[in-house]
Amino acid sequence: DTGVSQDPRHKITKRGQNVTFRCDPISEHNRLYWYRQTLGQGPEFLTYFQNEAQLEKSRLLSDRFSAERPKGSFSTLEIQRTEQGDSAMYLCASSPGTVRWGNQPQHFGDGTRLSIL
Amino acid sequence: DQQVKQNSPSLSVQEGRISILNCDYTNSMFDYFLWYKKYPAEGPTFLISISSIKDKNEDGRFTVFLNKSAKHLSLHIVPSQPGDSAVYFCAASDSGNTPLVFGKGTRLSVIA
Repeated sequence: DTGVSQDPRHKITKRGQNVTFRCDPISEHNRLYWYRQTLGQGPEFLTYFQNEAQLEKSRLLSDRFSAERPKGSFSTLEIQRTEQGDSAMYLCASSPGTVRWGNQPQHFGDGTRLSIL
Repeated sequence: DQQVKQNSPSLSVQEGRISILNCDYTNSMFDYFLWYKKYPAEGPTFLISISSIKDKNEDGRFTVFLNKSAKHLSLHIVPSQPGDSAVYFCAASDSGNTPLVFGKGTRLSVIA
């Protein structure tokens, strides 16, 4: 049983550097979501994909952030010119996402913890 | 403007007793509600969900109740076990398969 996989688990970098995270969703899940979680808060939505199409981006996703899902399978989230406020846990989730499945829960990976020095 | 609110940051319950976690929402467009459990250094794990056409859903020791008129849902865990100690998040969406809106979580401690 392969769940959602995220890499790396931890990333420490200096302010101003670029970072890229990868997410591999559950096989055959069409929808892939990115969330960010900071201390004492619940996960906050960043962006999501239906196959390779990016359907929605949150206001939280500044122009320094970009996400891709080029072949409709794995996804990458890149942060350019990192700032201290970017320190957070970045979570990826996936769900079947097609109408015939009805409401389906999202299943989360274990996240990538980003620390900006 | 928090659309999903969990007003109790923490809850302590004795092993074997009932744990009741509460959640309120403000957006009347929400029609799918979920509870997730989260251990430190892990991602949220899906527990149980309920659609707005129901008022109760049960899965083993976990039951979720939905009161649409009050915009309130609750998670009951009976009996509570030490392994249930974790942070519990309430989440909602407006048509399933769309981005979730989460509460801030309630830390449950089950004391042996």
